[in-house]
Amino acid sequence: EAQVTQNPRYLITVTGKKLTVTCSQNMNHEYMSWYRQDPGLGLRQIYYSMNVEVTDKGDVPEGYKVSRKEKRNFPLILESPSPNQTSLYFCASSPFRWGTDTQYFGPGTRLTVL
Amino acid sequence: SQQGEEDPQALSIQEGENATMNCSYKTSINNLQWYRQNSGRGLVHLILIRSNEREKHSGRLRVTLDTSKKSSSLLITASRAADTASYFCATEGDDKIIFGKGTRLHILP
Repeated sequence: EAQVTQNPRYLITVTGKKLTVTCSQNMNHEYMSWYRQDPGLGLRQIYYSMNVEVTDKGDVPEGYKVSRKEKRNFPLILESPSPNQTSLYFCASSPFRWGTDTQYFGPGTRLTVL
Repeated sequence: SQQGEEDPQALSIQEGENATMNCSYKTSINNLQWYRQNSGRGLVHLILIRSNEREKHSGRLRVTLDTSKKSSSLLITASRAADTASYFCATEGDDKIIFGKGTRLHILP
């Protein structure tokens, strides 16, 4: 089944404790992206990747890192999480970036930073 | 910078009625997409309309795009209880994909 998977789905952590949220897609998509969703703010793009080893900042990249060593994986890294990073995070992928294709979303990761 | 802005923020209608929600944006786009999100879940793509298209249909969905007014509308005909969800527009420009804040649609029995 074609899908985007994220792990973990729920995570409660404490300020400053490094964490990684994994994202994997099995559709051979080139484009992958991370969003955070907060009440009243909609979805905001954190980082995106057009292809392996190519990543770019979205609208709210501060406090996050990403890597794209393989086409299928796009982990989101929080080196030193803070309470303002408590949010619902979505990973998405699409075949290409331009001209455009629909994005396929993962099920979401609900992160709470205490 | 926020690109897409949906209107209204929330909408309640009776089952069987039509639901219309609008999206306005600020800069030129390559395409505009509509997504549905059930509470706390991932977004599901509904329909994509390119900048050179004016109208598109998919089942009970009809999307229009007016690039001169920088606006789009999503019409859901003959609404059902299962249509209760949040609906987002997303605009794709030359360098970014930007989502609006969404319209919460509630279908009343």
